[in-house]
Formats: sequence, structure tokens, C-alpha cells
Amino acid sequence: EADIYQTPRYLVIGTGKKITLECSQTMGHDKMYWYQQDPGMELHLIHYSYGVNSTEKGDLSSESTVSRIRTEHFPLTLESARPSHTSQYLCASSDSRTGNTEAFFGQGTRLTVV
Amino acid sequence: KNEVEQSPQNLTAQEGEFITINCSYSVGISALHWLQQHPGGGIVSLFMLSSGKKKHGRLIATINIQEKHSSLHITASHPRDSAVYICAVRAQSGGSNYKLTFGKGTLLTVNP
Repeated sequence: EADIYQTPRYLVIGTGKKITLECSQTMGHDKMYWYQQDPGMELHLIHYSYGVNSTEKGDLSSESTVSRIRTEHFPLTLESARPSHTSQYLCASSDSRTGNTEAFFGQGTRLTVV
Repeated sequence: KNEVEQSPQNLTAQEGEFITINCSYSVGISALHWLQQHPGGGIVSLFMLSSGKKKHGRLIATINIQEKHSSLHITASHPRDSAVYICAVRAQSGGSNYKLTFGKGTLLTVNP
């Protein structure tokens, strides 16, 4: 059982609101990732982190920002939500120190901006 | 063209049938993952493999590196196997990154 948690699971919010999607893992993994998945489409990497104070943008451009102040926590923030941000957001983590590249995924946050 | 192609896109089976889902990729890889995504979105990692074959319960995953192809098999399928199955690869040139490229998934529905 993976110990990676995302909150909220579902969020409906109005245009222009600031939102933060939470992601926490209790496995001590150094690497964490945010993926965006539109309905019926593949996942795309939007942000990743190698460790505390390390964040990088992924392959898919995103207006969101992330921070990694603590190893276990990797929140994603949208300063001003728009309907185009409606999507599913999945957080994942992995431990590069073991040489095992298996990723563990959270349950996802389904965001709807109205 | 997506670097990772899955087939079929949709698959409907009767309970007890043997299921095969295929994944082809176009880049050199260091690992291939099979993931399961249930309605509601959560993803579970089923297998990670870089060669040969792995088995877990009724699930079997195989990979042929030379042909750049992997298959996920489900024996004695059950309605609870209904989910989206996603193939994802980590490119060989990934360096210290861990960027996965995903297929679009195969929606499996197993009817009782």
C-alpha cells in the first residue's frame, strides 16, 4: 500500500480563485512529480522535484507553481484558476537512492473550474 | 505520433476470459511500467520491468526490448479487473531524471 496522499479528491471552484492542491508522502522519497491528465488522454508531467528546494517544470507547460520546502510535501498552486485548468492532477513519488525507479501515485485531484 | 502506443483502446470481455493488452514504444528505454487506473482516478503501479517477464497473481507482464513491445495479460478475468490500464516508459537517456512517457491507456470492461 502506497503512502502518498492527495487532497482534496474533488474540487469545484470559480474562475479567478487561488487554489492549492496538496500532496504528501510518508515514504521519505526524494523525488516527487505532478502529472496532469485530461479526460481520455495520457498523463503529462507538469512539475517535478529532486528534493527539498528543488523544483523543475515538466514537459507540459502549466501555469501552476510548486514548492518543496519539506521532503514529504509537494503542493501545487494555481494563483488564478481558469476553466482551461479543469483536469485531473496526479502526484507521484519515487526513491532514487535505492536504484528502484518504481513510482507511487496518489489518488488524484479532479479539478473543475467554472 | 505518441512515443507510446497502446492497443486496443477499448476492450470488453466476459468474466473468465484471457485478456491481452499491448504496448509499443519508439524510444530506447530503461524501464517500462504497467499501471492500473480505476474510476475516480487513483493509479496503482502493477509492474515495472526492463526485461523478460513478471507475474503477480493473475497478472503477467512481458517485454521484448529488441521489438520495443510489451504485453499485459490477465488470466481468468473478473469484473473487478475493469479499469484503465496504462503503459509508461522511462527513456534510456533520462539521466538522473525520472520522466515517464505515458500511453493513452486501454479501457477494460469485464462483464459478469
